[in-house]
Amino acid sequence: GAVVSQHPSWVICKSGTSVKIECRSLDFQATTMFWYRQFPKQSLMLMATSNEGSKATYEQGVEKDKFLINHASLTLSTLTVTSAHPEDSSFYICSATLRLAGADTQYFGPGTRLTVL
Amino acid sequence: AQKITQTQPGMFVQEKEAVTLDCTYDTSDPSYGLFWYKQPSSGEMIFLIYQGSYDQQNATEGRYSLNFQKARKSANLVISASQLGDSAMYFCAMRVTQGGSEKLVFGKGTKLTVNP
Repeated sequence: GAVVSQHPSWVICKSGTSVKIECRSLDFQATTMFWYRQFPKQSLMLMATSNEGSKATYEQGVEKDKFLINHASLTLSTLTVTSAHPEDSSFYICSATLRLAGADTQYFGPGTRLTVL
Repeated sequence: AQKITQTQPGMFVQEKEAVTLDCTYDTSDPSYGLFWYKQPSSGEMIFLIYQGSYDQQNATEGRYSLNFQKARKSANLVISASQLGDSAMYFCAMRVTQGGSEKLVFGKGTKLTVNP
């Protein structure tokens, strides 16, 4: 149980185009999903908290117009990188929260590696 | 400030031996949760073990155990009988409440290498 998928697993795009990344909780419903960014050999950096049916909460310094987040259902959240540039190249990971034994635990997707040429 | 500190950038262990990965935390919240995740080279973050701040006993999950010392604010991960497949990055994380919402704060990670 507690499987989270991400699609695509990797994507290469040209500068100026937009890229959409999907995050799905396959066997549970997640009221809250999170989007992270990870640079090589660094820790995860939280970008935003996504709540079903409401606007995402972005962390300080994250451009909400650049990284559009939509949480359309209890099992799907999407991150769209708009007008991507080479500096947006990174590893993007989502997570979904599941409450087990009284504890909210984040289960992560396999990540999406974005390369912007 | 709510913070996780992992002081070991890299650790080496012989196969079948035990290894301890250090994690200290800083929070003023009376209620918090501590997590350990494993990240292999493929990139996915795998949940290993959880310890609640009010849990009296140390958490265990198979070969993983969490040495929780509340007074010292430490939550070290112990991996027993290391296997080659344990080679990965390990992240300690703390669940915090900020601005009315819960989120995870991660440490910088420890790269574990298991030698045959």
